[in-house]
Amino acid sequence: KAGVTQTPRYLIKTRGQQVTLSCSPISGHRSVSWYQQTPGQGLQFLFEYFSETQRNKGNFPGRFSGRQFSNSRSEMNVSTLELGDSALYLCASSYSGIGTDTQYFGPGTRLTVL
Amino acid sequence: AQSVTQLDSHVSVSEGTPVLLRCNYSSSYSPSLFWYVQHPNKGLQLLLKYTSAATLVKGINGFEAEFKKSETSFHLTKPSAHMSDAAEYFCVVSDLRAAGNKLTFGGGTRVLVKP
Repeated sequence: KAGVTQTPRYLIKTRGQQVTLSCSPISGHRSVSWYQQTPGQGLQFLFEYFSETQRNKGNFPGRFSGRQFSNSRSEMNVSTLELGDSALYLCASSYSGIGTDTQYFGPGTRLTVL
Repeated sequence: AQSVTQLDSHVSVSEGTPVLLRCNYSSSYSPSLFWYVQHPNKGLQLLLKYTSAATLVKGINGFEAEFKKSETSFHLTKPSAHMSDAAEYFCVVSDLRAAGNKLTFGGGTRVLVKP
């Protein structure tokens, strides 16, 4: 089975721009979660989608949004980029989306904001 | 609220010697606990997980962890370190009260393996 894929792998944007990141989960997985990883804050939960509905949300401003499509693929969008948004954005998928499920992570998208 | 504390930000070991990575958690409910490893410029790979079955959990690559409820700990060990174990390790707790998946990560422990 193919793993979680994320595109693009690298992105460079300037402040004020917006960006869309894409995540394709493992086939059959219905839950997709997004995490931000920075040297200062570590790994932080952004949000989780299940069956096209946002089920959980972390403590991030409204500039961070996401959606999930009927094929479980997910996108996250960051509007009005700030320098502090530079990070590795990781997507993870799981089968049933319950807490005991294993989440499988993609390689991440490294976003640099200049 | 749940939280995870990894007691060492860096651990240095010699190849062939034991590895111990310490993790303490705080959770109001019986948690699911995980250890993930991240090699440079890579995503996270699951090493092992605890979900209220056996308290001693065996994972991949010779790693194992013991869940101790009385000490709220979930330490990761490996009897003999290999050069390929050099990476960053994350102890993770899952909030079982949430409707779905919501992981809380520890700050990470970076492991250096000396030849």
